Amino acid sequence: AQKVTQAQTEISVVEKEDVTLDCVYETRDTTYYLFWYKQPPSGELVFLIRRNSFDEQNEISGRYSWNFQKSTSSFNFTITASQVVDSAVYFCALSSEAAGNKLTFGGGTRVLVKP
Amino acid sequence: AAGVIQSPRHLIKEKRETATLKCYPIPRHDTVYWYQQGPGQDPQFLISFYEKMQSDKGSIPDRFSAQQFSDYHSELNMSSLELGDSALYFCASSPTGTAWGLLEQYFGPGTRLTVT
Repeated sequence: AQKVTQAQTEISVVEKEDVTLDCVYETRDTTYYLFWYKQPPSGELVFLIRRNSFDEQNEISGRYSWNFQKSTSSFNFTITASQVVDSAVYFCALSSEAAGNKLTFGGGTRVLVKP
Repeated sequence: AAGVIQSPRHLIKEKRETATLKCYPIPRHDTVYWYQQGPGQDPQFLISFYEKMQSDKGSIPDRFSAQQFSDYHSELNMSSLELGDSALYFCASSPTGTAWGLLEQYFGPGTRLTVT
């Protein structure tokens, strides 16, 4: 079975600070996909990034960056220079074709950015 | 760009009533997923459809049923509603994966169901 763990339940920062969200996953599949979604207070789920298990290259996209390390089964996500609008719950998720392509979510990390 | 449409956005029902939630995927997306998110919880997979056929099933109660129609829209039917069914119900759509792997699921705004 697949499992995603987000150990941090809530993080509070002051605007312009960097925020790193931890994500650890478990899967027996050799090919899988990792995602980060954002859920603002309005409730919708917004796709942020996707990574394939066969591509460990870490990238930066605007103020977002991620660190995928297969050796430790981690897929951490960083928001640089946080803004109040970044306040939301962030979910890490895992899927694979072998598991029917459904998303398995972590418990979420609530990020509160104070002005 | 067109997004996933869900209706209604809010629904209030009483115990033992029935409810029907609708989902209209992004055009040319052939796969639909349903998720249930209880208060303070992460979304949990219920059921999925690919090309109008059920492709996978999660922890969906027997009281719930769903289908995907010829125009690819999907409906989640819920009967004998219980208080514990109160949740945010998301529909997500995805195009068929490419040779490079799965593509992301795009979520609708959700239907907030309250059972009283």
